[in-house]
Amino acid sequence: GAVVSQHPSRVICKSGTSVKIECRSLDFQATTMFWYRQFPKQSLMLMATSNEGSKATYEQGVEKDKFLINHASLTLSTLTVTSAHPEDSSFYICSARDRVSYNEQFFGPGTRLTVL
Amino acid sequence: AQKVTQAQTEISVVEKEDVTLDCVYETRDTTYYLFWYKQPPSGELVFLIRRNSFDEQNEISGRYSWNFQKSTSSFNFTITASQVVDSAVYFCALSEVVVDKIIFGKGTRLHILP
Repeated sequence: GAVVSQHPSRVICKSGTSVKIECRSLDFQATTMFWYRQFPKQSLMLMATSNEGSKATYEQGVEKDKFLINHASLTLSTLTVTSAHPEDSSFYICSARDRVSYNEQFFGPGTRLTVL
Repeated sequence: AQKVTQAQTEISVVEKEDVTLDCVYETRDTTYYLFWYKQPPSGELVFLIRRNSFDEQNEISGRYSWNFQKSTSSFNFTITASQVVDSAVYFCALSEVVVDKIIFGKGTRLHILP
């Protein structure tokens, strides 16, 4: 099956710094990528949808100036958590929709962010 | 609006027992997809099944089976002869074809006791 990678898998940073998380589709092209956030023992909540070459669409309640999403190519989307605070500590998971098999979404392994 | 309800927060069974995880969904669309994912302690989501709204046939894959009933808006998941390795959080999810973002239920944490 299709593979989606995320980098880094874990990151620890100090409060106030910015962190960038990469999501790559390794063997397919993804016109659309999705970013989810999962707090401990909770469900996955969609944060935003990013389409290649256009601005991301954010879900209600998600600060677009804090969570910057860039989808510059058909295989790469990045999520930057700006001025991170401890409450941003979470598990961030991306998914990518196969350009060919339109309704297939493939999930990355997730990135665990800890903000001290 | 879309909604997925997994009423069972946590289930514990003894190894080799059968266990059913319940999932009830709400959607206004006639065309949609239903999913089940497994999330082991590592955190990575493992895709188990996708079912479209026009296919109500039950599915069996090894020890796993799924019962899709549109009349009750349910998509239940049964593990037969459970094993310790089945211990994980299981998520039921829904996606409307046009919008296509996936809405997850809150998950059921399954403990298989040796």
